[in-house]
Amino acid sequence: EAQVTQNPRYLITVTGKKLTVTCSQNMNHEYMSWYRQDPGLGLRQIYYSMNVEVTDKGDVPEGYKVSRKEKRNFPLILESPSPNQTSLYFCASKSGTGGNSNQPQHFGDGTRLSIL
Amino acid sequence: SQKIEQNSEALNIQEGKTATLTCNYTNYSPAYLQWYRQDPGRGPVFLLLIRENEKEKRKERLKVTFDTTLKQSLFHITASQPADSATYLCALVGDYKLSFGAGTTVTVRA
Repeated sequence: EAQVTQNPRYLITVTGKKLTVTCSQNMNHEYMSWYRQDPGLGLRQIYYSMNVEVTDKGDVPEGYKVSRKEKRNFPLILESPSPNQTSLYFCASKSGTGGNSNQPQHFGDGTRLSIL
Repeated sequence: SQKIEQNSEALNIQEGKTATLTCNYTNYSPAYLQWYRQDPGRGPVFLLLIRENEKEKRKERLKVTFDTTLKQSLFHITASQPADSATYLCALVGDYKLSFGAGTTVTVRA
């Protein structure tokens, strides 16, 4: 089954404790992206990757890091989490390297992070 | 600055009626506009795409229009059913990303 898998689905942690949210897709997609979703603000893009070893900032990259060493994986790293990073996070992928392509994005089921 | 607005946060309608959702945007020139459905606890799921040179697109009971002069897209759910209850998101394609509206939550009463 074609899917985007995120782990963990839920995490409660404390300020300053480094964490990684993993994302894996089995569709051989070139493009992957991370979003955060907050009430009233919609989905906002954090980082995206057009292919292996190619990443770039989205609208809200501060406090986050990513890497793309393999095509299927795109982990999101919070090196020193703070309470304002409490949110619902989604990973997504799509085919094609053109960010402006019309291919639909496939989303994971989300990771709810609470930073105390 | 760029902005995407969806008409209201919530829309309650009777089963069988047509739900109409609005997506307005400013300071964009999108080549494409997409609509997604999001159920509680799940990620968005793609529904429809419409190109800038298309006026209307249909898929089963769904219809989308795109007016680049008005900078507006309308999303219609005809003959609505309780199973259509969800949050619907519009998204504009451009600058290597999708930019999303905040969504409209539709509740269909039986």
